[in-house]
Amino acid sequence: SQQGEEDPQALSIQEGENATMNCSYKTSINNLQWYRQNSGRGLVHLILIRSNEREKHSGRLRVTLDTSKKSSSLLITASRAADTASYFCATSRYNFNKFYFGSGTKLNVKP
Amino acid sequence: NAGVTQTPKFRVLKTGQSMTLLCAQDMNHEYMYWYRQDPGMGLRLIHYSVGEGTTAKGEVPDGYNVSRLKKQNFLLGLESAAPSQTSVYFCASTQGLAGAGSSYNEQFFGPGTRLTVL
Repeated sequence: SQQGEEDPQALSIQEGENATMNCSYKTSINNLQWYRQNSGRGLVHLILIRSNEREKHSGRLRVTLDTSKKSSSLLITASRAADTASYFCATSRYNFNKFYFGSGTKLNVKP
Repeated sequence: NAGVTQTPKFRVLKTGQSMTLLCAQDMNHEYMYWYRQDPGMGLRLIHYSVGEGTTAKGEVPDGYNVSRLKKQNFLLGLESAAPSQTSVYFCASTQGLAGAGSSYNEQFFGPGTRLTVL
């Protein structure tokens, strides 16, 4: 299975701190994406990093990708209580068609 | 622009009953997907479609059927519901063109259907 695995499963931090979560996967990928899911809601796309990219930024989000280690990390800087959610990585292969999701990291940001 | 909508939002079934979940998207996307989400297991792909009139199996297709008669709609059917199908079901769509890093790969999700089978 190509399914990604996030680490840690749960993370609790204070508002203003940085949150880092990791994703590992098993096979070659076309790109890797991160999604956020608020409780009881659908997933929302955050950021996509291509297989030939090593780092990407979007606002307070920083994503890195190490294809040699088959891993990615998502950093949220200066976290806010509104960042409380579950975060999932998703990978797709070069022949596209399907996405593979990890089991997620549950982030709790305490005000 | 409603994006991806799902009907119904909640449903309770008895074992053996059948039902159809409807997904609709107004973004003219080619690809559509049905996932199920169980506690602590992330999303698992049930079936997907790469265009009108096409369907394909995902990771966990048993017990489900799908149809994509119109480009904007993707239906998920349970012919004989079982308690193991208690889950939250999400529909998603993407424009669908392949290519490294293409923005077409971004998935848009519906709000989900919470299904309980007694």
